Amino acid sequence: AQSVTQPDIHITVSEGASLELRCNYSYGATPYLFWYVQSPGQGLQLLLKYFSGDTLVQGIKGFEAEFKRSQSSFNLRKPSVHWSDADEYFCAVGSNFGNEKLTFGTGTRLTIIP
Amino acid sequence: NAGVTQTPKFRVLKTGQSMTLLCAQDMNHEYMYWYRQDPGMGLRLIHYSVGEGTTAKGEVPDGYNVSRLKKQNFLLGLESAAPSQTSVYFCASSKTSSLLYEQYFGPGTRLTVT
Repeated sequence: AQSVTQPDIHITVSEGASLELRCNYSYGATPYLFWYVQSPGQGLQLLLKYFSGDTLVQGIKGFEAEFKRSQSSFNLRKPSVHWSDADEYFCAVGSNFGNEKLTFGTGTRLTIIP
Repeated sequence: NAGVTQTPKFRVLKTGQSMTLLCAQDMNHEYMYWYRQDPGMGLRLIHYSVGEGTTAKGEVPDGYNVSRLKKQNFLLGLESAAPSQTSVYFCASSKTSSLLYEQYFGPGTRLTVT
């Protein structure tokens, strides 16, 4: 069965600093990988996704993520965070065979300090 | 273009009461989903629908029923609410089942069962 681990429950970074949120997945074949962001009281919004090809994918709001098969990871990065990036971030994995459903990680809450 | 809307936004129920959550989408999407979100856990799929008149069980279907009488609406019912069903419920829709197509999420319904 597919699974996702986000090892960091809460991360605090200074505004303007770089950010990396970790995501590890478990899946037998090449997975579909996603990062979503959730603002308080809102639904999830897709930041970026990886299906195949270039392992570095660009998303909205200046985010990027890199798929590393050898490490079973899909970490989310941003070179310089803004106060408006303070939200909760979810990594998700899906399969493209049969059971085409998403499995979500437990989320990482990001706090930005001035 | 409203996207995915959910009614109501908040609800408090007593144990044993019933209620129905309504999800509506105006994007002509075939697939619709109901998730629940609990603290410290990722989103978990309750039920989903692959088209008008069809429904299927997800990861945590017990205690819930669903109906998709119209393509644009997906209803989630609780026949006899239990405190364990206290959660935030999210509806989502997508063009097809393939994860190549983004799932669009509603803003959520916060349900408390006392």
